[in-house]
Amino acid sequence: EVQLVESGGGLVQPGRSLKLSCVASGFTFSNYGMNWIRQAPGKGLEWVAYISSGSSYIYYAETVKGRFTISRDNAKNTLYLQMTSLRSEDTALYYCARKLMDAWGQGASVTVSS
Amino acid sequence: AIQVTQSPTSLSASLGDRVTLTCRASQDINNKMAWYQQKPGEVPQLLIYYASTLQSGTPSRFSGSGAGTDFSFTISHLQSEDFATYYCLQGYSLWTFGGGTKLELK
Repeated sequence: EVQLVESGGGLVQPGRSLKLSCVASGFTFSNYGMNWIRQAPGKGLEWVAYISSGSSYIYYAETVKGRFTISRDNAKNTLYLQMTSLRSEDTALYYCARKLMDAWGQGASVTVSS
Repeated sequence: AIQVTQSPTSLSASLGDRVTLTCRASQDINNKMAWYQQKPGEVPQLLIYYASTLQSGTPSRFSGSGAGTDFSFTISHLQSEDFATYYCLQGYSLWTFGGGTKLELK
C-alpha cells in the first residue's frame, strides 16, 4: 500500500523557518518525482514545488520561489520542504504527493502567526 | 504561468442529476488535465487523468473530456457520496489547480 506521511508542521512566527518531511513507503520512492501542494484554511489547492526522482529538476511556484527549498533523500525514502522567511499567507495544510498526484499524504499543518 | 479557470464555483443538484463542470486553460495543454474530488477533512482523490482516463477505482458515472484549452467533467447520475468539492489540475507546464467547484445537495 502506498503511504506518504508528512511531519514537521507547527506554529511559527513570521520571518522564521520550518522544515517539513514526508516519508514514503509502499512504492519505489527513488523512481518517482514528488510534489508539495498546500491548502490554506477554507481555500483551494495550490501547487508549491516539484523535484524529479534524481533531484535533477526542481521547480517552484512563484509565491514561494527564493524562500522554500525542496529536496529528497532517496536512501531514506524521504522528501523535504525547507521553508524560510515565512509569512502569514503561508499558513496552510501542506501535502506531499507523487508526481502524477495519484497518491497524497494526510498533510502537515503550518500556521504562521505572532 | 498557465492559468486555469474552473466553473461554476458552486453548484446545487439533486440525487440522480447529471452535472457538468468545466475548466479552461489559458493556453493549449494538450490532454494534460486531471480531476480530483475532495470531501471535507479528507485528502484529494484523483478521479481522472489525461483528460478522460479513469483512475483505477473511479466509478463509471464519472467521465472527462476535452483537449487543448477546454475540458469538462461529468457525473452522470449523482449519488449521495458525490457531494464534495472538485478540482481540475493542468500538468502540461508545471502544475496549476482550478479554483474548485463545490457540489451541494439541492
